[in-house]
Amino acid sequence: AQSVTQPDIHITVSEGASLELRCNYSYGATPYLFWYVQSPGQGLQLLLKYFSGDTLVQGIKGFEAEFKRSQSSFNLRKPSVHWSDAAEYFCAVSFGGYNKLIFGAGTRLAVHP
Amino acid sequence: NAGVTQTPKFRILKIGQSMTLQCTQDMNHNYMYWYRQDPGMGLKLIYYSVGAGITDKGEVPNGYNVSRSTTEDFPLRLELAAPSQTSVYFCASTQGLQGETQYFGPGTRLLVL
Repeated sequence: AQSVTQPDIHITVSEGASLELRCNYSYGATPYLFWYVQSPGQGLQLLLKYFSGDTLVQGIKGFEAEFKRSQSSFNLRKPSVHWSDAAEYFCAVSFGGYNKLIFGAGTRLAVHP
Repeated sequence: NAGVTQTPKFRILKIGQSMTLQCTQDMNHNYMYWYRQDPGMGLKLIYYSVGAGITDKGEVPNGYNVSRSTTEDFPLRLELAAPSQTSVYFCASTQGLQGETQYFGPGTRLLVL
């Protein structure tokens, strides 16, 4: 069965430090991969997505993610974190013919000044 | 352009009561989805629809019903509320092509006591 794993439940970084959030998926083929961000009390906003082509994709708010087929991973990175990046981040996989999403459990990011 | 709207924002139900969570999108999207979000669990798909009059079950459909009479609206019905249905409910929509971004509403927080 398809699944998405985000190994880190909570991550705390200092403002200005670099960030990497991990995501691994289990799927029979190359899936469509997404990163969403959820600010407190808000809905989900798309940061970036990948389904083909260049394995390094750029998103909004200075985020990027790299698809590694050999590791079944799609890790999210940001070179310098801002306090406003504190939120919960979800990795998701789209499968099947109806664009359904399977989400990871999420990683909650805290940013220290 | 309001995107995806959900009402109510918050509701408290007693066990056994029923209610309908409303979802409307103004983007003329064909596909619509209902997810529930429980702490530490990510989002789980409840039901989805690929067009007016067409709905299907997702991963966790028990205790819920849906209908889709128009392109814009996709209400979620809880017939006999149970404490296990305490959650945050998100509606989403997309045009339908594989890999397209899903746009999420702000969510409805439901507490069943």
